[in-house]
Amino acid sequence: QITLKESSPTLVKPTQTLTLTCTFSGISLSTGGVGVGWIRQPPGKALEWLALIYWDDDKRYSPSLKSRLTITKDTSKNQVVLTMTNMDPVDTATYYCASTPPSGYGNFDYWGQGTLVTVSS
Amino acid sequence: EIVMTQSPATLSVSPGERATLSCRASQSVSSNLVWYQQKPGQAPRLLIYGASTRATGIPARFSGSGSGTEFTLTISSLQSEDFAVYYCQQYNNWKWTFGQGTKVEIK
Repeated sequence: QITLKESSPTLVKPTQTLTLTCTFSGISLSTGGVGVGWIRQPPGKALEWLALIYWDDDKRYSPSLKSRLTITKDTSKNQVVLTMTNMDPVDTATYYCASTPPSGYGNFDYWGQGTLVTVSS
Repeated sequence: EIVMTQSPATLSVSPGERATLSCRASQSVSSNLVWYQQKPGQAPRLLIYGASTRATGIPARFSGSGSGTEFTLTISSLQSEDFAVYYCQQYNNWKWTFGQGTKVEIK
């Protein structure tokens, strides 16, 4: 059974750095082709892809947010961490982590439940 | 950046009827097109990948078609549990983008 779960503070202040942690089981970031990504969704709005890290430590970022994002993995802990700097109220959203299989089609097949992050002073 | 445009924004359909959702890419994404279903308060659920391959456990009433820039998700006979928001997503050149979603509501 594959599960992913996000953890983060629920409230951050403007200009602070947000650290999101995805802890997963049933998949391994040692397996060729596997990736774990982050997607967010502001309340009532559409999904937005943020970043993804592959089994070989290849990292990909959304062009519009690249300067603010850093994604890392700890294979031994089955965790992926995303940091986002200089948080703003517009970054208020539910943040999801999701896995992508080696198929190469770019689909996110398993998702966490999401964690709501509110940016407010 | 490849922009994904979904239409219509809202689709009103009666149970048992057919629903056809469209997704257009601003440039070709080959067959790297994915469909998700999202219900309120839940994470998205993978329906279709590779434009036309149903994910594990997805009922046969869901089908996807298209390639290049024009894609369609068809729900052949809507069940009560199918009323939700549907998103398309493309993958191209190590970038992923989502459409703005189509809400399928009860007529």
